[in-house]
Amino acid sequence: DVKVTQSSRYLVKRTGEKVFLECVQDMDHENMFWYRQDPGLGLRLIYFSYDVKMKEKGDIPEGYSVSREKKERFSLILESASTNQTSMYLCASKGAGGISGNTIYFGEGSWLTVV
Amino acid sequence: AQKITQTQPGMFVQEKEAVTLDCTYDTSDQSYGLFWYKQPSSGEMIFLIYQGSYDEQNATEGRYSLNFQKARKSANLVISASQLGDSAMYFCAMREATVFTGNQFYFGTGTSLTVIP
Repeated sequence: DVKVTQSSRYLVKRTGEKVFLECVQDMDHENMFWYRQDPGLGLRLIYFSYDVKMKEKGDIPEGYSVSREKKERFSLILESASTNQTSMYLCASKGAGGISGNTIYFGEGSWLTVV
Repeated sequence: AQKITQTQPGMFVQEKEAVTLDCTYDTSDQSYGLFWYKQPSSGEMIFLIYQGSYDEQNATEGRYSLNFQKARKSANLVISASQLGDSAMYFCAMREATVFTGNQFYFGTGTSLTVIP
């Protein structure tokens, strides 16, 4: 089974702090994603990466950056956390290949509260 | 324009009854994939079912089936014989096959399903 592991389930950080959310996948997937989930807004893509050191902005990249130094690890960074970044963050991964049945696999989510 | 629209924020169903969760999508691609995910209160997203745009038959996975109506651009999820453990958020998603955006999934806003004993 594919395993996507997010390092922290619950975090509480202060405004202005630098926050790192770590994600590791064990299936040698090329593609990794960070989503943010808010009630009534569904999942919104922050950044994705299709290879080591490669990244693309998603729909809401402002206030975030990412790092992918190794294939299995994709980190989301909040340079200076703000209260409007309080949310649930989901990491996901997907292999390369055709569209047929090629779903993405999610981690368990990280609940971040910025006070 | 929204790529995926789920118009039912909340649904209730009696245990053992069937329920349909609505999903419409918007794409100009000929090749695309449609997915449904379940998210229990614990937070993890669980893949349920997949339908390819060229698949002529509706996808089924156990008690889940996807009612695919291509001309209407709808991909409704049908859960038969609902169980208490089906209470969760359900997300419809689409992946387009265009080269540049082919790795991006578009998600709806979700439907919260509550199964009543």
